Amino acid sequence: QVQLVESGGGAVQPGRSLRLSCAASGFTFSSYAMYWVRQAPGKGLDWVAAISYDGSNKYYTDSVKGRFTISRDDSKSTLYLQMNSLTVEDPAVYYCARGGYCSGGTCYSRPFDIWGQGTMVTVSS
Amino acid sequence: DIQMTQSPSSLSASAGDRVTITCRASQDISYYLAWFQQKPGKVPKLLIYDASTLQSGVPSRFSGSGSGTDFTLTISSLQPEDVATYYCQKYNSVPSSFGQGTRLEIK
Repeated sequence: QVQLVESGGGAVQPGRSLRLSCAASGFTFSSYAMYWVRQAPGKGLDWVAAISYDGSNKYYTDSVKGRFTISRDDSKSTLYLQMNSLTVEDPAVYYCARGGYCSGGTCYSRPFDIWGQGTMVTVSS
Repeated sequence: DIQMTQSPSSLSASAGDRVTITCRASQDISYYLAWFQQKPGKVPKLLIYDASTLQSGVPSRFSGSGSGTDFTLTISSLQPEDVATYYCQKYNSVPSSFGQGTRLEIK
């Protein structure tokens, strides 16, 4: 069964850190670009960070640059998001999602067809 | 970065109505456009990709069209279970940004 399962969310004080994890199963994780998307309460979907299939390229939305780090461990089929210096602007449900893939030397742009169930991050003093 | 703009931001229609939601990209994205449905408290669900290809298991009353910068999602006959927020997403390049969403309600 193809699935993504997030963990690591919780309630923290401003300025503190959290690390989110996303465990993948049912597909060749190392062939896919992976993303973190967040949704603040009552708001829309916002792309947060992306990592290429081989981990060589990482991208961040402006509001998290320098604070968040995306990484992957293909041996564990797991995606991570290290979130430092959390602010009151960061509370949201954080989803991991599967993006495009590479096969036989060719990479294909694909929509986010598989999503995790989401993990809630709350920032409050 | 390419901006995605949806209209309308909210919509109320009667069961059986034909409903159309539009999405405009600030630059040409070819056919790299997807539509998602999100019901309250649920994970977004992929409905359509490559602008017009229906994801497996999605009812045929949903359809998509367009290319370049202008795209539409159409529900041919609105059903009560279609109440949700709909998002477009472009995925031709990083970032794979989303539109702001269209909230669809039943009259």
